[in-house]
Amino acid sequence: DGGITQSPKYLFRKEGQNVTLSCEQNLNHDAMYWYRQDPGQGLRLIYYSQIVNDFQKGDIAEGYSVSREKKESFPLTVTSAQKNPTAFYLCASSQSGGPYEQYFGPGTRLTVT
Amino acid sequence: GNSVTQMEGPVTLSEEAFLTINCTYTATGYPSLFWYVQYPGEGLQLLLKATKADDKGSNKGFEATYRKETTSFHLEKGSVQVSDSAVYFCALSNQGGKLIFGQGTELSVKP
Repeated sequence: DGGITQSPKYLFRKEGQNVTLSCEQNLNHDAMYWYRQDPGQGLRLIYYSQIVNDFQKGDIAEGYSVSREKKESFPLTVTSAQKNPTAFYLCASSQSGGPYEQYFGPGTRLTVT
Repeated sequence: GNSVTQMEGPVTLSEEAFLTINCTYTATGYPSLFWYVQYPGEGLQLLLKATKADDKGSNKGFEATYRKETTSFHLEKGSVQVSDSAVYFCALSNQGGKLIFGQGTELSVKP
């Protein structure tokens, strides 16, 4: 079955530590996206990538970093510079080049204490 | 710029009631429009979409019509079930692929 996997489902970290969230897709999509969702809020775009080895900042990129070394993978690192990292993080993918729908993973809930 | 505005929630309905969730948008050009649904603790699932004016998207009893003259894409269902309880997001996408989301509307259906 094609889809997007995110791991782990729940992640706990101490303040001051960097943490990397995994996102893998086997849909053969060129474009991948990371969103942040806070309770009762909509989705805010962190980073996106439309092709391997290239990515762009979204609306709230400060304190985050990404890499896109493989088409299937788009890991997100939440750095210690991110002031309020506790949130639900969603990864998505789509075909590139047009207004195509995005397919979402199940999400990772990150708690930093 | 592009933006999406949804009616505020939460919306509470009894089972078998009629549902409308309003969505209006501002966009340049001719965007595609989407409704996504999010069940508690899960990611978003595409519910339906419409890619041009007057298109009607439909799925699982839900419908929405792309109205360019009123810049709207309201979600409707004739008879809701308890299992429809979720958060619903309206979104648009222009060329370039990025999705612009509304703030989401929480629906609670009581038996």
